[in-house]
Amino acid sequence: NAGVTQTPKFQVLKTGQSMTLQCAQDMNHNSMYWYRQDPGMGLRLIYYSASEGTTDKGEVPNGYNVSRLNKREFSLRLESAAPSQTSVYFCASTRASYNEQFFGPGTRLTVL
Amino acid sequence: QKEVEQDPGPLSVPEGAIVSLNCTYSNSAFQYFMWYRQYSRKGPELLMYTYSSGNKEDGRFTAQVDKSSKYISLFIRDSQPSDSATYLCATSNFGNEKLTFGTGTRLTIIP
Repeated sequence: NAGVTQTPKFQVLKTGQSMTLQCAQDMNHNSMYWYRQDPGMGLRLIYYSASEGTTDKGEVPNGYNVSRLNKREFSLRLESAAPSQTSVYFCASTRASYNEQFFGPGTRLTVL
Repeated sequence: QKEVEQDPGPLSVPEGAIVSLNCTYSNSAFQYFMWYRQYSRKGPELLMYTYSSGNKEDGRFTAQVDKSSKYISLFIRDSQPSDSATYLCATSNFGNEKLTFGTGTRLTIIP
């Protein structure tokens, strides 16, 4: 039981490049989330998915897109990376109607 | 004004001391209160979970919620160097899976 896994662990991009952050969970959870964590800002919700096939914007969705590929996987895409997107990105999941979120190990992204 | 306010610290205390970490919140609809612990370069992990007002104890950790003053606390007794981490409070309201997080308090326990 791996819990929530994320790939890659680290990534450096140049401004304008695109990339996809991958997230998978093996706990049969319905809901999945993408957060970014910046110093002094805490965890901010980018997008979330309450179930397979549905996605909704969070607090800071601009510049990002998501795909809920199936119940296990939820990916985050940066179409044209900007230095302001330099951050640590966390994926999380939870069971339906529960609040306890389980987090992945994070992806450290630097945009030059 | 943020919905959840948390002093970012950093906070340094000697080993064995009692640690008090606190958050305030503004939304009276919040009913679920959590504390997450995050070690350096790791993802947050759930430490304590409470519903509504009152205390909850788990080993050396006690979570306290005072809904009348919109104040939540985490106490760590007999603090250990392994408790050195960032602690984030989080809240949500009934029927809402989304959490609202504080910014986190960085804690260092000095041996």
